[in-house]
This record gives sequence, C-alpha cells and structure tokens, in this order.
Amino acid sequence: GQNIDQPTEMTATEGAIVQINCTYQTSGFNGLFWYQQHAGEAPTFLSYNVLDGLEEKGRFSSFLSRSKGYSYLLLKELQMKDSASYLCAAEDSNYQLIWGAGTKLIIKP
Amino acid sequence: GAVVSQHPSRVICKSGTSVKIECRSLDFQATTMFWYRQFPKKSLMLMATSNEGSKATYEQGVEKDKFLINHASLTLSTLTVTSAHPEDSSFYICSAREGGAGGREQYFGPGTRLTVT
Repeated sequence: GQNIDQPTEMTATEGAIVQINCTYQTSGFNGLFWYQQHAGEAPTFLSYNVLDGLEEKGRFSSFLSRSKGYSYLLLKELQMKDSASYLCAAEDSNYQLIWGAGTKLIIKP
Repeated sequence: GAVVSQHPSRVICKSGTSVKIECRSLDFQATTMFWYRQFPKKSLMLMATSNEGSKATYEQGVEKDKFLINHASLTLSTLTVTSAHPEDSSFYICSAREGGAGGREQYFGPGTRLTVT
C-alpha cells in the first residue's frame, strides 16, 4: 500500500536547527513535496524534490533519497513564526499526492 | 506566486440545506483542481480531483451525489455540499495545479470552515 510516515510532533528552540524526517512508500514515485500549514490556515508550498540530494532555499532546505524512500526538511535559525505543521507529500506515478499526517513543530524561546 | 481564492471562508448552515464553496485561480489557468477535507489535527484527505470540462474523479468513500463538484472553467471549481449534516462540519480546502510546463505544485486556497447545526 501507499504510506507516508513523519513524526507527530517536535520541539525546538528559537535560533536552533531542526530536521523533520519523512519516509514514503508509493506506487511509483515522481517527486516529494513539503508544505507548511499554520493552525486554521491552508498549506503553503515550501519545496519539491525530484532528484536525489539537498536543495537549499534560504533558511529551509529539503533532502531526498529516492533509493531509501526518505526525505527531510531542515529549518535553520528557527524563528517563532516557524511554529506550524509541516506536511510531507509524495507524488505517485499517477501524479496523485499521498499526504503524511504532518509534523507539528513547536518553537520555544 | 500563484494565488487561489476560496469563498466563503466561513459558513454556518442548518441541517438539510446545501452549501456551495467556490475556488478560483486568480492569476493562472488551473488544468486540475483538488478538493480536500481536513479534520482537526489530521492530515489532508483528498475528496476529489477535477479537470476542466470533465467529470470529477472521487476518492473511495466520498459520495459523489452528496459532494457535487463542477469545474466549469480553467479558473473556477465549485463544491456543493448537499443536504448537509453535522458530521459534514469540517475544514474544506481546494487547491489548483497549472500542470504541464507550469509545474506540478498545488497552490491552496485559504480554506472554508463549514459548521452544520
């Protein structure tokens, strides 16, 4: 079956670095998305990885290993506004997104 | 970036009535639009996928006669919740994808919080 696993909740300190992991099993694979969702709001797009490796975009970076079915989102220089849920979604061979349950990130001062 | 609007943002209705939610892509043409439902502290649940001018493809377990989806143009899709019941109360979110050379990321509307009393 198709499955996405990511931790339910993580806590980090303002100014620090945090890595949110995601493992996936899908029927075929085209790419891996990360979205940020603040409470009560819709998700916003963060990154899309197709090839293996790390892609950096400002304070946020996303990594993909297709052979391991693994991705992570790395957030640096954490700010209080980064407190949100982070959703991992794998795109299967039919271009459907299979969503993880999201990781709630709590930032403490 | 691409902007998707959704209207209304909040709606309260009585049991048995119907509610229509609109989703519009404001600055791009959306070949595909998606409708999701999200319960508190849960992930997005895809309800249906619609392509402009064709019938929506519903996910297993989603009643197509209850959740009517119309994708009449490349910038507008509507979701009508018919004969609403309290268990239909949820956060409904649409997203749009330009597709083709325009990329595969989905751009989300701000969501509609439906409360059925």
